[in-house]
Amino acid sequence: DADVTQTPRNRITKTGKRIMLECSQTKGHDRMYWYRQDPGLGLRLIYYSFDVKDINKGEISDGYSVSRQAQAKFSLSLESAIPNQTALYFCATSAATGSPGLQFFGPGTRLTVL
Amino acid sequence: AQSVSQHNHHVILSEAASLELGCNYSYGGTVNLFWYVQYPGQHLQLLLKYFSGDPLVKGIKGFEAEFIKSKFSFNLRKPSVQWSDTAEYFCAVNGGNTGFQKLVFGTGTRLLVSP
Repeated sequence: DADVTQTPRNRITKTGKRIMLECSQTKGHDRMYWYRQDPGLGLRLIYYSFDVKDINKGEISDGYSVSRQAQAKFSLSLESAIPNQTALYFCATSAATGSPGLQFFGPGTRLTVL
Repeated sequence: AQSVSQHNHHVILSEAASLELGCNYSYGGTVNLFWYVQYPGQHLQLLLKYFSGDPLVKGIKGFEAEFIKSKFSFNLRKPSVQWSDTAEYFCAVNGGNTGFQKLVFGTGTRLLVSP
């Protein structure tokens, strides 16, 4: 869905490097989420934000940080990347009202940490 | 801890076979239930959702799911699969004691349909 975009789409980096993954949306949604997907583990929530001033940890936030620069932008940072952070990362958005839990996903960023 | 279980991790079917993918959740109380699909190389897309009302929910591409509250289940079905249904399918739940703001996903079922 072109309404939620992620950059970069692929990234290979080395252990110890700082990495930022960016997410932008044109859906006008207040809520944004970062997930990582690992084979056999499904999607796990890293961080979520209900508005610009609201940031919440998900189930696996250690080693990650986020920044909600604007309603439309939500960035995920790995301050010092490690190999077990190799995964597919998805950003998602949802509206504050209407269908609860209905989320719209970006295309994903495939991150490899060597 | 709250959880969503998808018992079949890999399913292989021939075209025209019937499909049923299991999903069970561990919450009590009111829940919303979802099935998302991820086609190869693509992002997750909503297949169908249940909020309330008729427990038999129809989604896109001929898929349906039935909410059975007494069994804490929301199984996905399709009478006759096609090669283009090859994808990974995720069950997701919100509500219960995690609230409605977050989705909890199952581990996914990878479906391969052979022509």
